[in-house]
Amino acid sequence: GENVEQHPSTLSVQEGDSAVIKCTYSDSASNYFPWYKQELGKRPQLIIDIRSNVGEKKDQRIAVTLNKTAKHFSLHITETQPEDSAVYFCAASRWEDKIIFGKGTRLHILP
Amino acid sequence: GAVVSQHPSWVICKSGTSVKIECRSLDFQATTMFWYRQFPKQSLMLMATSNEGSKATYEQGVEKDKFLINHASLTLSTLTVTSAHPEDSSFYICSASGSWSYNEQFFGPGTRLTVL
Repeated sequence: GENVEQHPSTLSVQEGDSAVIKCTYSDSASNYFPWYKQELGKRPQLIIDIRSNVGEKKDQRIAVTLNKTAKHFSLHITETQPEDSAVYFCAASRWEDKIIFGKGTRLHILP
Repeated sequence: GAVVSQHPSWVICKSGTSVKIECRSLDFQATTMFWYRQFPKQSLMLMATSNEGSKATYEQGVEKDKFLINHASLTLSTLTVTSAHPEDSSFYICSASGSWSYNEQFFGPGTRLTVL
């Protein structure tokens, strides 16, 4: 089955700097890669997703890149703000199948 | 659109009792619903996948006789934790997807279960 590895587990960046979180997946049939932000005690919130027919997608300060050959994808957050502090999860899924989550990255934005 | 609710939001029960958690899709028909468990400072672990009108598919290591899942309609799935024990204390989150959502899942707000 699918296995999603996520790094780093913890990331601290200065406010205004960029943050990058990287993930790898094992199942070459996976074609949907969502990223979630989760605040303490809350549900995961989809912040951006990418499908396997696209190499890059951007939404304001957030971007995701996908390398299907290497089976890895990354989340980039630019101009980080205090409200970006949260736990971020990458995930991978086949068509109409279950979503498998990475272990998460705790992002701290330092003032 | 695509709102999913869960009830209750939190529950405290005594060891040995059973607890039922409801997951509802409020504004769409959910062909598939998923149940996750999340322990503190850990990731979401998929417990089972359920399709309306059929038996749930459980992930390896999840006891189907302990975690009973029913998906009786296109808007409601229930998870019953039977004979709950303190180690079952966790954050339980459901999600739902529709045939139109192209893999995207919509998450409920979660239910915090504490077993004394």
